Amino acid sequence: EVQLVESGGTLVPPGRSLRLSCAASGFTFDDYAMHWVRQPPGKGLEWVSGINWNSGSTGYADSVKGRFTISRDNARSSLTLQMNSLRIDDTALYYCVKDRGLFWGSDAFEIWGQGTMVTVS
Amino acid sequence: QSALTQPPSASGTPGQRVTISCSGSSSNTGSNYVFWYQQLPGTAPKLLIYRNNQRPSGVPDRFSGSKSGTSASLAISGLRSEDEADYYCAAWDDSLSGWVFGGGTKLTVL
Repeated sequence: EVQLVESGGTLVPPGRSLRLSCAASGFTFDDYAMHWVRQPPGKGLEWVSGINWNSGSTGYADSVKGRFTISRDNARSSLTLQMNSLRIDDTALYYCVKDRGLFWGSDAFEIWGQGTMVTVS
Repeated sequence: QSALTQPPSASGTPGQRVTISCSGSSSNTGSNYVFWYQQLPGTAPKLLIYRNNQRPSGVPDRFSGSKSGTSASLAISGLRSEDEADYYCAAWDDSLSGWVFGGGTKLTVL
């Protein structure tokens, strides 16, 4: 069974840093691109960042560019989001998402984790 | 303000057919695939339709997607109470070089 388990979310003051992790299992991790998508409480979905199967390319939403860094460790089947200079409007449930394909800009968000909550206050 | 425009709400009675629209621009829905996601209350989103009109295995054929120009639609036929959820459309945006979502449509089954 495909599983994505996020961790690292917590309450953090504005301006601080936080690192989110996602442990993947049940599929060949390095065959797929991965993403982070967030959802503020009571609001809609916002794509945050994506990374190709081999870390060869990454992408970021304008709202997080220069502050967040996505990375992956294929040997450990893990995905990470380093979040710096956190702002109040970064408060959201952060989902780890498996892509349908190899590249972060071409296909669907196929499998979603349950999310980890980040509160900036 | 979302890049893709969806009605905030929709409703129908059991057995009815409902459609949810998703309107974008030439840089997103007009030139790229549209995807649909279903988010049941208190759960993570789930892929419902990919590449405009393709259903992942396990998604009932009551759900269908279509696209024409810069607009897309999700149709749900034979509406059931368990279809009550939030529905989101998404597409790649060439101008932003990133993914954009619609604001979501809350479907109520009366």
